[in-house]
This record gives sequence, C-alpha cells and structure tokens, in this order.
Amino acid sequence: DGGITQSPKYLFRKEGQNVTLSCEQNLNHDAMYWYRQDPGQGLRLIYYSQIVNDFQKGDIAEGYSVSREKKESFPLTVTSAQKNPTAFYLCASGSGSEQYFGPGTRLTVT
Amino acid sequence: AQSVTQPDIHITVSEGASLELRCNYSYGATPYLFWYVQSPGQGLQLLLKYFSGDTLVQGIKGFEAEFKRSQSSFNLRKPSVHWSDAAEYFCAVVLSGGYNKLIFGAGTRLAVHP
Repeated sequence: DGGITQSPKYLFRKEGQNVTLSCEQNLNHDAMYWYRQDPGQGLRLIYYSQIVNDFQKGDIAEGYSVSREKKESFPLTVTSAQKNPTAFYLCASGSGSEQYFGPGTRLTVT
Repeated sequence: AQSVTQPDIHITVSEGASLELRCNYSYGATPYLFWYVQSPGQGLQLLLKYFSGDTLVQGIKGFEAEFKRSQSSFNLRKPSVHWSDAAEYFCAVVLSGGYNKLIFGAGTRLAVHP
C-alpha cells in the first residue's frame, strides 16, 4: 500500500533531550513537509523540502532541524532549544498542490 | 496578512440533519482550496479540493463545497450527517505557484447527536 508512515505514534522525553521523529513515504513525491498541531491553532509549518538534499524553514522552525538524504525520508529532530515541544507532529508529502498526511506522532516532553 | 478563517470552533448537529461548515480566506488572487478531516489522534484526510472551473465540487464521504469568489468563501456541506462524521474539519488554501505552502484555518470540531 502506498502511503506515509510516522513512527512512533507516541513519544515521551525528558526536558533537555533531543528527539527525532521519523517520516517515510512510498508515494514517490518530491516534496515533504512537517507540521505542528496544537489545540485550537490548526497546523503550522515547521520545515519543508521540495527535493532531496534541500529544505527550507517554515513559519516556526526555531528549535527544530531536518534532513533530506533520501527521497523517501524526512526526519525531524526536536532539539532542546525548542521551548514548548509537547505537541502533535504531522508529516506530509505532496505532488503539485496536494498534500497527503501521515498518522502523526504525539510528543510529550516533561 | 494572508489568512484562513473558520468562524465556528464547535458545531453540534443531530444525525440525519444537514451540515454547513464555513471557511473564508483573505488573498488577492484566487487560491487553491482544500477541506481536510481529522479523526481524534489521527492524520488529516483530504475531503475535496478546488483549483478552477465548476465552483461546486464533490468530495468523498458525501461532502461537497462551493467556492464563492465574491464572498471569498469555500463552505463545506453535507445533506445528511452520519454519526461517523464526528471529527475536526480544516479548511486550507495554497497560493497558486510558489512552493505549495498550505495555510490552515483553526478548525471546526463537529459533534453528532444520535
């Protein structure tokens, strides 16, 4: 089945630790995206990548980093510099103007 | 500033009743328009999209939406709601061209009474 997978579904970390969220797609899409979702705020773009080995900051990139070494993979690292990392993180991939979303990872930092 | 507004945070309807979820956008040009649905703890599923042409678009699960340029609106409708439609609904726009950045509304949470 074609689709987007994110792992793990739930992730718990202590404050001060970096954590990496996985996103894999087998839709052969060039573009991939990371969004953060907080209650009542919709989705906000963290980073996006239109092609392998290239990525750009979105609206809320501070405290996050990404890499795009393979077309299929776009991991997101939440660093200790992110002041409020507890959130639901959604990965998407796109063809043209359409984006397709993964199931999300809920990160809780205590 | 470019924005998407969903005026209703929560809506409750009875099963079998009709539904309309509102969405307004503020852009100079006509953007590409989308409606997504999200069940609790899940990702987003694309319901329907408008790029150009016929202003009434049909989507999955019996949903439709109408683009009204004069009102900068793209409201989502369903003639008869099912209990399984309870979810959160997001309107989103993309400026034509560029890198396809999706701008989301804050969402409308739909509850369905039996």
